[in-house]
Amino acid sequence: KNEVEQSPQNLTAQEGEFITINCSYSVGISALHWLQQHPGGGIVSLFMLSSGKKKHGRLIATINIQEKHSSLHITASHPRDSAVYICAVPLNYGGSQGNLIFGKGTKLSVKP
Amino acid sequence: NAGVMQNPRHLVRRRGQEARLRCSPMKGHSHVYWYRQLPEEGLKFMVYLQKENIIDESGMPKERFSAEFPKEGPSILRIQQVVRGDSAAYFCASSRDRPVEAFFGQGTRLTVV
Repeated sequence: KNEVEQSPQNLTAQEGEFITINCSYSVGISALHWLQQHPGGGIVSLFMLSSGKKKHGRLIATINIQEKHSSLHITASHPRDSAVYICAVPLNYGGSQGNLIFGKGTKLSVKP
Repeated sequence: NAGVMQNPRHLVRRRGQEARLRCSPMKGHSHVYWYRQLPEEGLKFMVYLQKENIIDESGMPKERFSAEFPKEGPSILRIQQVVRGDSAAYFCASSRDRPVEAFFGQGTRLTVV
């Protein structure tokens, strides 16, 4: 049964700073998800990745399968990036892909 | 292509009433997932459905909760005889295939008074 740890829990940055959020999990996985939850509560799926690195705009997600670790980076952060960032992995390797276990989230606040 | 649509966005129910939450997946998506986010807690998986089938309901409370995804129409999460502890945000997500590259709805915020 997988467990997910995210760090930091809270992060305050100045506009323009480079942000890193970390996620570690305990059991081998087929894919890891990064999600963004805005203050209004809606959830957006940012990335699903199973190896290497993915980039979308100013967001970069990396995963190291051997280390069971993933990072989400935000370059040139902006106040509109302020949100809770959540990583999620399948509960069991090879199990139902929708049965995800979620990290507690990292609350990011970017100050102008 | 409209995203995942959940309604209502906000639902208030008195203790003992029934709550029905609806989720219309994205066009072409046949997999639906329901998650619950209790106040000050993280998201938790509830149930995974495909059209007319429950694939994994290991996260569903044993009583009062049920889910369906009929051949036609939205997926429904039904909570009977609601209690205060059911107050939460309920999210659904849908995907076309496995593995999940899921798209989330805006959620339904249920308040039980």
